[in-house]
Amino acid sequence: QLVLTQSPSASASLGASVKLTCTLSSGHSSYAIAWHQQQPEKGPRYLMQVNSDGSHNKGDGIPDRFSGSRSGAERYLTISSLQSDDEADYYCQTWGTGIQVFGGGTKLSVL
Amino acid sequence: EVQLLESGGGLVQPGGSLRLSCAASGFTFSNYAMSWVRQAPGKGLEWVSGVSGSGGSTYYADSVKGRFTISRDNSKNTLYLQMNSLRADDTAVYYCAKDFSGTNSCVVYWGQGTLVTVSS
Repeated sequence: QLVLTQSPSASASLGASVKLTCTLSSGHSSYAIAWHQQQPEKGPRYLMQVNSDGSHNKGDGIPDRFSGSRSGAERYLTISSLQSDDEADYYCQTWGTGIQVFGGGTKLSVL
Repeated sequence: EVQLLESGGGLVQPGGSLRLSCAASGFTFSNYAMSWVRQAPGKGLEWVSGVSGSGGSTYYADSVKGRFTISRDNSKNTLYLQMNSLRADDTAVYYCAKDFSGTNSCVVYWGQGTLVTVSS
């Protein structure tokens, strides 16, 4: 079964960096994923796609502070030089034949 | 500029029906798969349904299979979601979304959402 696992929460200080993790279920370690950001009281926004070879395709206007990477079944979103409006929920998403799956989301607090 | 504008949300009684629409602009609509994703109050994102660019393939989450029907009219650049036999746990903001390619893939653009409330 295709499942994505995310930690429920993370925190980091203003100006620092944070690395969020999304883990693919067993047997699905080669899958590409996408990252989405949802700021409080707003709709989601596509950040980037992280492909199985580690390459990524960013959404329109997404700053260089946001980057993606992978290691095995884990996919990462790194945000550097944290700003206050980076405080948001971050969701990973993957897809297979006839299905799309979202992770449970990570709530990022910027201290 | 890609724009996705949902409409049709509202209050409906359990067992009732509702049809959501999503008017798309700013891209060649028929070239891209489209999806519906929902978010219950205080909860995470849940994929509901998807349709290929041609409309020939449709996909559903188990939670809505047999009750919801996704369709598209490429001549009108519009996506639809017909929701029947609605239940309280269908209450959510429903987002229309543009996929990365013409077949099932990741979401790359989101609409602003329309709220569906199922309650007596």
